Amino acid sequence: DAGVTQSPTHLIKTRGQQVTLRCSPKSGHDTVSWYQQALGQGPQFIFQYYEEEERQRGNFPDRFSGHQFPNYSSELNVNALLLGDSALYLCASSLRQERSPLHFGNGTRLTVT
Amino acid sequence: AQSVTQPDIHITVSEGASLELRCNYSYGATPYLFWYVQSPGQGLQLLLKYFSGDTLVQGIKGFEAEFKRSQSSFNLRKPSVHWSDAAEYFCAVGELNRDDKIIFGKGTRLHILP
Repeated sequence: DAGVTQSPTHLIKTRGQQVTLRCSPKSGHDTVSWYQQALGQGPQFIFQYYEEEERQRGNFPDRFSGHQFPNYSSELNVNALLLGDSALYLCASSLRQERSPLHFGNGTRLTVT
Repeated sequence: AQSVTQPDIHITVSEGASLELRCNYSYGATPYLFWYVQSPGQGLQLLLKYFSGDTLVQGIKGFEAEFKRSQSSFNLRKPSVHWSDAAEYFCAVGELNRDDKIIFGKGTRLHILP
C-alpha cells in the first residue's frame, strides 16, 4: 500500500523563477492538502483540494496555486519565487468522507537562491 | 481564530525517564486534536488523534494523550522514553464536522540523554 509520494525530493531555483511540485496521495484517498514548513517552524496550511477544486486556502499569496487531477494527484505551483519561499513543502492526503487524519509525504525541499 | 501553542521549544530527558509535552489550543467549536512526530528530513507521522469519547487516547510507540476541555489542553505523555524517540513533535487542531484545514503548533524538539 503506497503512501503519499512527492517529487522531486530536492529542488534549487533562482529568485523570480517558477516551480512545480507534485504529489500522489495514499491509495484510496481523495483529498490533498499542501503545507509549507519553514526551518524550525510548524507546517503552515497553503490550500486543500477535493474533487479537483480548491476547497480551503490559508494565508498565502496568489503566487501559490495548485491543481488536482482526476486520479487525485496534485501539483503545487509557485510563481515569481522569493528567497522566503525556501522551505520544506509537504503534501498530505486524506479521505474526506471519513474525516481521516492527514497522511504526509516526506516533502520537497525547495531552496531559492 | 484557531491556534495551537506548544510552550516548550526544546525538551531534554534521560532515556528511560517519563515525558510530557504540552499543547494548548484555542478553538471556538468542538476540536479534533492530533499529535504528529517528525524525524529529521522526513514527513510527519501520526502518533494519535482525539475526536470524541474517552479523553485519554492511546497512540503508537507507547504514547498517550489526555484531552482536558476545561484547560484547553492536549498533552502528550510517555512513561519511559527510548533514544529513538528523539524527534520533533507537533500538536495540531482541526474543527469537527467541518472539512477544514488542520493548524499546527510550532513544535517541540525532544532530545534524549543516554
